[in-house]
Amino acid sequence: QQQVKQSPQSLIVQKGGISIINCAYENTAFDYFPWYQQFPGKGPALLIAIRPDVSEKKEGRFTISFNKSAKQFSLHIMDSQPGDSATYFCAASTETSYDKVIFGPGTSLSVIP
Amino acid sequence: DTEVTQTPKHLVMGMTNKKSLKCEQHMGHRAMYWYKQKAKKPPELMFVYSYEKLSINESVPSRFSPECPNSSLLNLHLHALQPEDSALYLCASSQPGQGAGYTFGSGTRLTVV
Repeated sequence: QQQVKQSPQSLIVQKGGISIINCAYENTAFDYFPWYQQFPGKGPALLIAIRPDVSEKKEGRFTISFNKSAKQFSLHIMDSQPGDSATYFCAASTETSYDKVIFGPGTSLSVIP
Repeated sequence: DTEVTQTPKHLVMGMTNKKSLKCEQHMGHRAMYWYKQKAKKPPELMFVYSYEKLSINESVPSRFSPECPNSSLLNLHLHALQPEDSALYLCASSQPGQGAGYTFGSGTRLTVV
């Protein structure tokens, strides 16, 4: 029940296209959903995060869509660029276990010219 | 530049060696974390310090020993490691409480020979 599922495992998108990564969870106590971006040889960096009281959050080319009833959330990268090529992790945590973030298994994104 | 600094960036150690990993942050965060990350996997939580007190130990073997000398520093002491302990060790910090994303360092790439 603590698991966060993520798909696809890998994704290849043409430059200018839309990258979509999906995540699903079981624990309805989760109430904070961040996305992290990790480049090779670097630590993950917080990209964008959402709470379940909103259905969508947009920051620049990155948008999180959240479906509370389906217990699913997704990351959309508009106008994908080669510099977006990285591994993306969705994650979730609860108010009482805020220091115990559950990470999804990750998606390796390659944006080709 | 990352606001969480980890040293060294790379470390090769024998199974009988004793070494330490260091982490420093100057963001005023009062929660600090050690994570272990294997290739193509999400980070795995090892230890959490909240207000300089060890709050979570994820059943990590005793050959890993954390230390939090003050609110800005976090160390991980290593002794008698095994080759399977080779991984990227990540330090992170956050403000305690829900909705606080993590700031990760770039990690220490550890190889045990």
